[in-house]
Amino acid sequence: GENVEQHPSTLSVQEGDSAVIKCTYSDSASNYFPWYKQELGKRPQLIIDIRSNVGEKKDQRIAVTLNKTAKHFSLHITETQPEDSAVYFCAASIRSGGSYIPTFGRGTSLIVHP
Amino acid sequence: NAGVTQTPKFQVLKTGQSMTLQCAQDMNHEYMSWYRQDPGMGLRLIHYSVGAGITDQGEVPNGYNVSRSTTEDFPLRLLSAAPSQTSVYFCASSYSGLAVAKNIQYFGAGTRLSVL
Repeated sequence: GENVEQHPSTLSVQEGDSAVIKCTYSDSASNYFPWYKQELGKRPQLIIDIRSNVGEKKDQRIAVTLNKTAKHFSLHITETQPEDSAVYFCAASIRSGGSYIPTFGRGTSLIVHP
Repeated sequence: NAGVTQTPKFQVLKTGQSMTLQCAQDMNHEYMSWYRQDPGMGLRLIHYSVGAGITDQGEVPNGYNVSRSTTEDFPLRLLSAAPSQTSVYFCASSYSGLAVAKNIQYFGAGTRLSVL
C-alpha cells in the first residue's frame, strides 16, 4: 500500500459546515506531519503542522490531531468559507536510507458552496 | 530572498525533444526535490537530493535525470520527451532531509509542460 493514504479525495460542504480530512501513514518512525493547501493554479503552501510529541494543534479555524498509536492524523476546518476551497495535502516524513523523505497523500479537493 | 525559483513557467515540446527545467533556491536548504502533479494523482516524487553531490530516485524517476553540483541549483532534465510527461512540475526545498523537525517544504511556482 501507499506510504501515506489520504481520504476523501473530494469533499463538498456548505459554507459554515465543518470539514475533516484524514490521513494514515506506514512508518512508525515518522514524527513530523504537515498539511499543505494548494489553491487553483498556485503552489502548495504549508498551513499547519504537528510533531509527534503533540496530540493536537489549533490555529484559528483549522486544527490537526495526531494518533501515533493508530498512525493517523486529521485536518479539521470549522466554519468553512468559500476561500477554503482548494486541494489539501497531508504529508509525513518517511525513512529512506539515512534520510527522511517528505511523502504526500494524493490530496483532497475541498469545495465550499456559498 | 526570492525563495524557490523555477523556470520556465510554461513549455511546449515535441515528442523526442530534450529540455532542462531549472530550479534555484536562496535559503541555503540542503534538501531539494522535484514532483510532478497530475489530476487525481497528487504530488509524485521524481528525484530528490539531500545535499550537493547527492541525488536519489523517487517514485517516478524514469525519463528524468538530475544533478546537484551546488547547494542552490537542482535542474531536472528530460532526455527524450514523451506525451506521458505532460504535467505540472514543482520543485521544492527544505532545510534538511535529515532533521525531520525542520522539513517544511517550500515550493516553486511550477512549470506547466505539454509534450505533443
